Amino acid sequence: DTEVTQTPKHLVMGMTNKKSLKCEQHMGHRAMYWYKQKAKKPPELMFVYSYEKLSINESVPSRFSPECPNSSLLNLHLHALQPEDSALYLCASSRRLAGDSYEQYFGPGTRLTVT
Amino acid sequence: LAKTTQPISMDSYEGQEVNITCSHNNIATNDYITWYQQFPSQGPRFIIQGYKTKVTNEVASLFIPADRKSSTLSLPRVSLSDTAVYYCLVGDGNTNAGKSTFGDGTTLTVKP
Repeated sequence: DTEVTQTPKHLVMGMTNKKSLKCEQHMGHRAMYWYKQKAKKPPELMFVYSYEKLSINESVPSRFSPECPNSSLLNLHLHALQPEDSALYLCASSRRLAGDSYEQYFGPGTRLTVT
Repeated sequence: LAKTTQPISMDSYEGQEVNITCSHNNIATNDYITWYQQFPSQGPRFIIQGYKTKVTNEVASLFIPADRKSSTLSLPRVSLSDTAVYYCLVGDGNTNAGKSTFGDGTTLTVKP
């Protein structure tokens, strides 16, 4: 199994809603990531988990709350989002290659629309 | 993190070789150079990675000069299905999780 799965594929939520995005991988990778991608822009790193611990938070607003329940699962809890948070949310995991290099495997993303 | 600069867009025709160059003037000693491909509404896909000189795999080659301040992704004999955005990344190898920052990407359009 060499894929990262994300659910749901599409999500529409109001500004007062609470929802969660889910990401799963069974490749034994110990690093997992959340990215946000706006249309025609590159992915922007949000969070990095390493061995189930949050290692990087790129100054993301607290209305986004990540969680890593185990080494295969990564969640992103959403609360009180703004319309400008509408984007494609990508999950990735990585495996170490030679030296300090990594190959990231991306999921297909969740298309989020905040109304 | 080293910043990367790529052309915004490139056009090519089927069957041609395409070379996309990326500049990364402040690359660090332990940074690797990685290229990803992304189709619309999909996640990026790893293409190739290198540290110095030349790396080749079944889909592409990566040329890195001795000063490592730039790199060139070479796609041999492109087809219409190679139309995508190509991202050059220079990684921070100091963390367990291999943090890298995506550049703005190059939109490659392959015409028949």
